[in-house]
Amino acid sequence: DIQMTQSPSSLSASVGDRVTITCRASQGINNYLAWFQQKPGKAPKSLIYSASSLQSGVPSRFSGSGSGTDFTLTISSLQPEDFATYYCQQYNSYPLTFGGGTKVEIK
Amino acid sequence: QVQLQESGPGLVKPSETLSLTCSVSGGSISGDYWSWIRQPPGKGLEWIGYIFYTGSTNYNPSLRSRATFSVDTSNNQFSLKLRSVTAADTAVYYCARGGNYLEHDSWGQGTLVTVSS
Repeated sequence: DIQMTQSPSSLSASVGDRVTITCRASQGINNYLAWFQQKPGKAPKSLIYSASSLQSGVPSRFSGSGSGTDFTLTISSLQPEDFATYYCQQYNSYPLTFGGGTKVEIK
Repeated sequence: QVQLQESGPGLVKPSETLSLTCSVSGGSISGDYWSWIRQPPGKGLEWIGYIFYTGSTNYNPSLRSRATFSVDTSNNQFSLKLRSVTAADTAVYYCARGGNYLEHDSWGQGTLVTVSS
């Protein structure tokens, strides 16, 4: 199985901050990577697919980059509604696997 | 916009079979992959597997062949059965649309299933 490692596991940030979350795959996954946002008690919401393509309706302050084994999710200016847990997921090979999550908290 | 809704018992006894159905509205189940994903309380996400609308499947080996998927295109639904459950199967179970590449672009709200006697 491909292991997906996210860092950090949690971070504290203020509204307006630039936030970067990293996801590393244990082997190359091309650009077959998705990012999700999950708020407490809610289902994950798709943000990004193919490493850098924004899902329809997702604010442009979210961006993704990377290819191969190293990927990043960037929030250019953190908004109050962005405090949540973020997950990456690879879909290069089976079984599909998720990262352990990064919790973004209010500083 | 497609919407998904899970349904099924919230409590299952150990060693019995967990059964859930996902109803799809706002779009056809045909032409897409449909996944089951679960999340134990306070933990991360685990992909259980997918079923294609034709009935072809792919399961996560971690479930040790306990999972079975089925699809009912006439009623726009697909289902999960998980046999021989234990407390470790207690989780919120989500159904999700695979999207073009299994990037999971739409999710149900999730349903908590507790395994307990």
